Amino acid sequence: QVTLRESGPALVRPTQTLTLTCAFSGFSLTTRGMCVSWIRQPPGKALEWLARIDWDDDKFYSTSLKTRLNISKDTSKNQVVLTMTNMDPVDTATYYCARILAVSTLKNAFDIWGQGTMVTVS
Amino acid sequence: QPVLTQPPSASASLGASVTLTCTLNSGYSNYQVDWYQQRPGKGPRFVMRVGTGGIVGSKGDGIPDRFSVLGSGLNRYLTITNIQEEDESDFHCGADHGSGGNFISVVFGGGTKLTVL
Repeated sequence: QVTLRESGPALVRPTQTLTLTCAFSGFSLTTRGMCVSWIRQPPGKALEWLARIDWDDDKFYSTSLKTRLNISKDTSKNQVVLTMTNMDPVDTATYYCARILAVSTLKNAFDIWGQGTMVTVS
Repeated sequence: QPVLTQPPSASASLGASVTLTCTLNSGYSNYQVDWYQQRPGKGPRFVMRVGTGGIVGSKGDGIPDRFSVLGSGLNRYLTITNIQEEDESDFHCGADHGSGGNFISVVFGGGTKLTVL
């Protein structure tokens, strides 16, 4: 069974750096085609894709947030970490991580999501 | 890059049918779109992918047969028949954008809140 679970601080002060961890099980990020993305959702608003890391360590970022984001993986711990610098109240949102199968019929679909972690910037 | 447009709300009576629409912007009529269901207070879950030929691949785990998709022109539709209380959710459409077969980004629509009357 594939599961993902996000964790991180519930409250962050403006200008601080946010660090979020996605702990997953049921698959390995050393397997070809496996990827993990971060997506966020401000209260009452739309989903927004943030970043993605692939099994071969390729990394992709939202154009609008690229300068503030860094995504990394620890394959020994089955974790993906996202850092976002210079946090602002507009970054208040629920942050989700999700798995992607990059080599399947459903290429690049988010097939399994975590429950999300709410981050308030204040 | 593609832009996805969804009406903010939809409603249907228990046992009835409803069709949700996700519209691509001009020039992207060949794009496939993914539908995601998000129940209140929960994370999204994958429903299915739709292109102009209909469903692409298989449905997400646990998605009932009452859910189906169609694609036509710039529109990608999700139809739910025999609506149940448990279907009351936000529905999001998303599409990945690439160049030369390489991934660049993902875009989402604004989401449609489905209310079951």
